[in-house]
Amino acid sequence: GAGVSQSPRYKVAKRGQDVALRCDPISGHVSLFWYQQALGQGPEFLTYFQNEAQLDKSGLPSDRFFAERPEGSVSTLKIQRTQQEDSAVYLCASSTGTGGFTDTQYFGPGTRLTVL
Amino acid sequence: RKEVEQDPGPFNVPEGATVAFNCTYSNSASQSFFWYRQDCRKEPKLLMSVYSSGNEDGRFTAQLNRASQYISLLIRDSKLSDSATYLCAVNSPSRFGNEKLTFGTGTRLTIIP
Repeated sequence: GAGVSQSPRYKVAKRGQDVALRCDPISGHVSLFWYQQALGQGPEFLTYFQNEAQLDKSGLPSDRFFAERPEGSVSTLKIQRTQQEDSAVYLCASSTGTGGFTDTQYFGPGTRLTVL
Repeated sequence: RKEVEQDPGPFNVPEGATVAFNCTYSNSASQSFFWYRQDCRKEPKLLMSVYSSGNEDGRFTAQLNRASQYISLLIRDSKLSDSATYLCAVNSPSRFGNEKLTFGTGTRLTIIP
């Protein structure tokens, strides 16, 4: 079946530009997560949605980062006025949201963002 | 101290050997533990979940030690195709009820022919 998809796969932005990254979760998955993975590091949590509600945005590094999931399916992560330190792979993951601590998160292929 | 710590390696291991990785975690409230495999420029893919003492799947065994707060991954009869980065992940329950994952930095494994 279809997994998590993300677009674009690669994005090059000039410093100061705004970017929008899209995530299509597995159909029917209630929970959606965004992670940021810097080179040589593990993914770090950014934000979490349960359906359309953004329940946890404690990992967003600054107010330049904004995420939404208006209809409870597709999600967009927006970064305003990009900085070089924003260069990373942005991973989206989804889970059924019904299993509690046994829920498995399935990851998309990620968007590799390079800020020049 | 980081919430989840792993030895970054690299581990260079001859084909057919047994290799073990450890991962320590600091949040005693964590209830579920995962090993993900990540190939170069690919997304993490779930290898094993551990909720109680351990789990075994073919050549792979994951063990959980709650008292010492570590999990381990054992790979027996290693294959060239096992070369990858292995990420340890621990759930971090919050008041929101979500089970966000906290990852280690990953351990790079290379199997040598």
